[in-house]
Amino acid sequence: AQTVTQSQPEMSVQEAETVTLSCTYDTSESNYYLFWYKQPPSRQMILVIRQEAYKQQNATENRFSVNFQKAAKSFSLKISDSQLGDTAMYFCASWFSNEKLTFGTGTRLTIIP
Amino acid sequence: EADIYQTPRYLVIGTGKKITLECSQTMGHDKMYWYQQDPGMELHLIHYSYGVNSTEKGDLSSESTVSRIRTEHFPLTLESARPSHTSQYLCASSPSDRDTEAFFGQGTRLTVV
Repeated sequence: AQTVTQSQPEMSVQEAETVTLSCTYDTSESNYYLFWYKQPPSRQMILVIRQEAYKQQNATENRFSVNFQKAAKSFSLKISDSQLGDTAMYFCASWFSNEKLTFGTGTRLTIIP
Repeated sequence: EADIYQTPRYLVIGTGKKITLECSQTMGHDKMYWYQQDPGMELHLIHYSYGVNSTEKGDLSSESTVSRIRTEHFPLTLESARPSHTSQYLCASSPSDRDTEAFFGQGTRLTVV
């Protein structure tokens, strides 16, 4: 079975610090797509960053970057210079060939002023 | 901001009532999804569709039903609501290409009393 696992149910960090959220997945496929989504309290789920498995270069979007380790099946999200607005649930997700977007269980991130 | 809309945002309804949660998107996406989000925030896929007249059950068994008569519309129906149906329901859509993320609606928070 293709799975996505987030082992950190909750994390907190001081404002302006850097935090890394972990995600691992399990698949036998070679080509797939990985995503990090953010769900702020009572607000819409939005995409943070996307990574294509066949690209070795780690994706970066402003303060957000990923560490994609294909052999280890790891896809962590690093948030630099964290801001209060980063407080949210973060979900790791993947498109596998079954065409269903598979989500991890989420990490609740709190940025402390 | 994504053009995918869910109505109502909040619904409180009595046991035994029939309800329909609406989801519409104006992006012409072929794929649409319904997720149930439990209080712990984990997402469970309950229904998906790859196009008009295509519907499939997701990973989590649900007493709800869906239809896809038009590309832009993917309503979810509960024939007889029960307190166990109390949850947040998220609708999402995506194009056929796997390299594009899914877009989410704002969700419907359903409470059955």
